[in-house]
Amino acid sequence: DGGITQSPKYLFRKEGQNVTLSCEQNLNHDAMYWYRQDPGQGLRLIYYSQIVNDFQKGDIAEGYSVSREKKESFPLTVTSAQKNPTAFYLCASSIGVGDGYTFGSGTRLTVV
Amino acid sequence: GENVEQHPSTLSVQEGDSAVIKCTYSDSASNYFPWYKQELGKGPQLIIDIRSNVGEKKDQRIAVTLNKTAKHFSLHITETQPEDSAVYFCAAYNFGNEKLTFGTGTRLTIIP
Repeated sequence: DGGITQSPKYLFRKEGQNVTLSCEQNLNHDAMYWYRQDPGQGLRLIYYSQIVNDFQKGDIAEGYSVSREKKESFPLTVTSAQKNPTAFYLCASSIGVGDGYTFGSGTRLTVV
Repeated sequence: GENVEQHPSTLSVQEGDSAVIKCTYSDSASNYFPWYKQELGKGPQLIIDIRSNVGEKKDQRIAVTLNKTAKHFSLHITETQPEDSAVYFCAAYNFGNEKLTFGTGTRLTIIP
């Protein structure tokens, strides 16, 4: 079955550590996105990529980094510069811009 | 930029009754409006969408209406069932800046 896979489902990070969240899709979608979800704030865009080897900052990119070396993969690194990283992170993909998004099942990151 | 407001934030309805969730958007250039359903611990799932050249769209018990003049759109769920209990998000897409902006969500509870 085609879909979008995020791993791990739960992730714990110590203060000062960088962590990388994985996102893989086999839908042959060109566009991929990372969102952060906090209670009562909806979904906020971190980074997005419309094509391999290209990506743009979203509304809350500070403290995060991404890469898009393969069409299928769009990993997100939460760096130590992100002061409040505890959140639910969602990856999504779409055939192209302006099409319906397919979301992964999310990664819950907790700083300990 | 685009601002999407969603109301109500919580909604409880008796099983079998109808539920209506409303959203307003600020940017008249937005022209694609999807609705997502998110169950606990999962990623959002696209349930219905509408484009700006259409006023209404139905899919079984779910319908979406769009009023471009007033810049608002609504989700209607009829004959509600317990499995409709979830958080629902509206969103507005602006092809000009290629951004999908989400509302803050509505937690719908169906009372058996």
